[in-house]
Amino acid sequence: DSGVTQTPKHLITATGQRVTLRCSPRSGDLSVYWYQQSLDQGLQFLIQYYNGEERAKGNILERFSAQQFPDLHSELNLSSLELGDSALYFCASSGSGREGTQYFGPGTRLLVL
Amino acid sequence: GQNIDQPTEMTATEGAIVQINCTYQTSGFNGLFWYQQHAGEAPTFLSYNVLDGLEEKGRFSSFLSRSKGYSYLLLKELQMKDSASYLCAVRGRRGGNKLTFGTGTQLKVEL
Repeated sequence: DSGVTQTPKHLITATGQRVTLRCSPRSGDLSVYWYQQSLDQGLQFLIQYYNGEERAKGNILERFSAQQFPDLHSELNLSSLELGDSALYFCASSGSGREGTQYFGPGTRLLVL
Repeated sequence: GQNIDQPTEMTATEGAIVQINCTYQTSGFNGLFWYQQHAGEAPTFLSYNVLDGLEEKGRFSSFLSRSKGYSYLLLKELQMKDSASYLCAVRGRRGGNKLTFGTGTQLKVEL
């Protein structure tokens, strides 16, 4: 158990809908990262937040947005969902140490029908 | 940008040693990580290298050569539970602490 929690574990929805994925980082970690993993793409970095501020952005679609709240939990919002958005979405967190190792949550499996 | 290459699949025998290679090209280097991922589960951290040389952690060791853009993960005394995907990830100097992952090496351990 990494100490990172994600809800829900599974999500099934229809095209055009909007969903929210939630992540709580390990105790004391200020950074939160979101990754998407699909069968043909591997693990792709989406976005990083540090203490409530956006720190880095990857290949995140405009239909997707995220935020980190004062209690450091984060939410990833996916809207106008398409079939191709079906994937595993992982959240990771890291501390402020030099190594900055990222520890991953169990993921949310999203299926868009 | 960053580009990472690893073999897609490898097979090895229980009790043996296997070496999984990773080559990378990056405009700025600030660390290389290895993760293990079982199907449908979260990646779990195995090792971190930022300086050249070998880091040993029990049955797992990882090596880095920055001048060659090369790393390997060495797994000794293989067990059936080591069957998993092994992900090489590079952190650049820019862009926060984000990791760029390779597509992973699927290791199958056989009797």
